[in-house]
Amino acid sequence: QVQLVQSGAEVKKSGSSVKVSCKASGGTFSRHGFNWVRQAPGQGLEWMGGIIPMFGSPNYAQKFQGRVTITADESTSTIYMALSSLRSEDTALYYCARIIVPAARGEGGAFDLWGQGTMVTVS
Amino acid sequence: DIVMTQSPDSLAVSLGERAAINCKSSQSLLFSSNNKNFLAWYQVKPGQPPKLLIYWASTRESGVPDRFSGSGSGTDFTLTISSLQAEDVALYFCQQFYSPPLTFGGGTKVEI
Repeated sequence: QVQLVQSGAEVKKSGSSVKVSCKASGGTFSRHGFNWVRQAPGQGLEWMGGIIPMFGSPNYAQKFQGRVTITADESTSTIYMALSSLRSEDTALYYCARIIVPAARGEGGAFDLWGQGTMVTVS
Repeated sequence: DIVMTQSPDSLAVSLGERAAINCKSSQSLLFSSNNKNFLAWYQVKPGQPPKLLIYWASTRESGVPDRFSGSGSGTDFTLTISSLQAEDVALYFCQQFYSPPLTFGGGTKVEI
């Protein structure tokens, strides 16, 4: 059964960076698109961007341009999300998610498989 | 950006009764090339990641009980739970995947 397993919780200082991993086990990897979505405490869901490993070029939400880097390592079936210049508003649960149906225009899609989430706390 | 507005914020429904959640988008989600609405619904339970219920506004994801159904087109959509079960208590979100940035509704809390 295909699973997305994320790295553990992180506590970071303001101004620092964090890198979260998401390992896909089972099934195909490179052909799927993977995105990152976050949820701040008591808030809704917020899309950050994503990547299709076989193409390699990531795409980011405008809000996170310049601060987020999404990469893929096909040899280990792992997706990474790095976020820099952290501030308290970045405290959130970060999810990786696999696209089942792509967007009509541009990047993203509907997500059928989600990681368990990684809590990032910025103090 | 496409703004997604859900209503109500919360609703309480008796077991076996019908629950309906509305979602309105600021722009049409109907893609003329394939005549599909790029709208998805998710269920979120405490301590769990979101679960995809519906995509293309009305296509049920594999394994989702048929008491869950999606309807609507253009800018107005509805998720209906035909006969509420105890395990359906959760938060529900709509999401547009018509164009980036992908955006979600604010969520609806369904309780017994």
